[in-house]
Amino acid sequence: GAVVSQHPSRVICKSGTSVKIECRSLDFQATTMFWYRQFPKQSLMLMATSNEGSKATYEQGVEKDKFLINHASLTLSTLTVTSAHPEDSSFYICSVTGGTGGTDTQYFGPGTRLTVL
Amino acid sequence: KQEVTQIPAALSVPEGENLVLNCSFTDSAIYNLQWFRQDPGKGLTSLLLIQSSQREQTSGRLNASLDKSSGRSTLYIAASQPGDSATYLCAVRQAGTALIFGKGTTLSVSS
Repeated sequence: GAVVSQHPSRVICKSGTSVKIECRSLDFQATTMFWYRQFPKQSLMLMATSNEGSKATYEQGVEKDKFLINHASLTLSTLTVTSAHPEDSSFYICSVTGGTGGTDTQYFGPGTRLTVL
Repeated sequence: KQEVTQIPAALSVPEGENLVLNCSFTDSAIYNLQWFRQDPGKGLTSLLLIQSSQREQTSGRLNASLDKSSGRSTLYIAASQPGDSATYLCAVRQAGTALIFGKGTTLSVSS
């Protein structure tokens, strides 16, 4: 299976600051990456689909100007939470398709815990 | 819009019991269905992937079934152990889309 990393694993920031989260596909080139958000005791909710070299597609209700996604290469996608507020505190998980499982398998990163004070 | 529901939301069993977790989805036109395990504060571990053309998949003590026409899947765990305690997530994928998740079943196995 694919190896997906995320950095940082945890981040604590003050309200109003911006936070960048990196998602890397370590052993294959991922043309598509997905970003999910998970609030406590809730399931994963898809935020956006990131395609290399093109603009991300956001799910309904997700502000594209607040959650900036850049998929500049086939191995890296970044999610920037701009002007973060306490309600943005959540667990952010990226996912990629491809790898040895074929295009029908999604592999997930370990997640990033964001806490906004 | 596809919706995934998991029942029960929480389950507590003594060690050694066999148990079944349920998942249902509203749109039967799925590409595949996947079961994941999530430990508290951690990411996801894929357990089983069932393609739309398959009826079941097995891995060790785990068996997942799929009845696409009725929009249901079950995850059967045999001889449960305390180490099985976690949240189990069911997710479906439709052609060209990302996985859509249920809210999960939190399992607690006591020794």
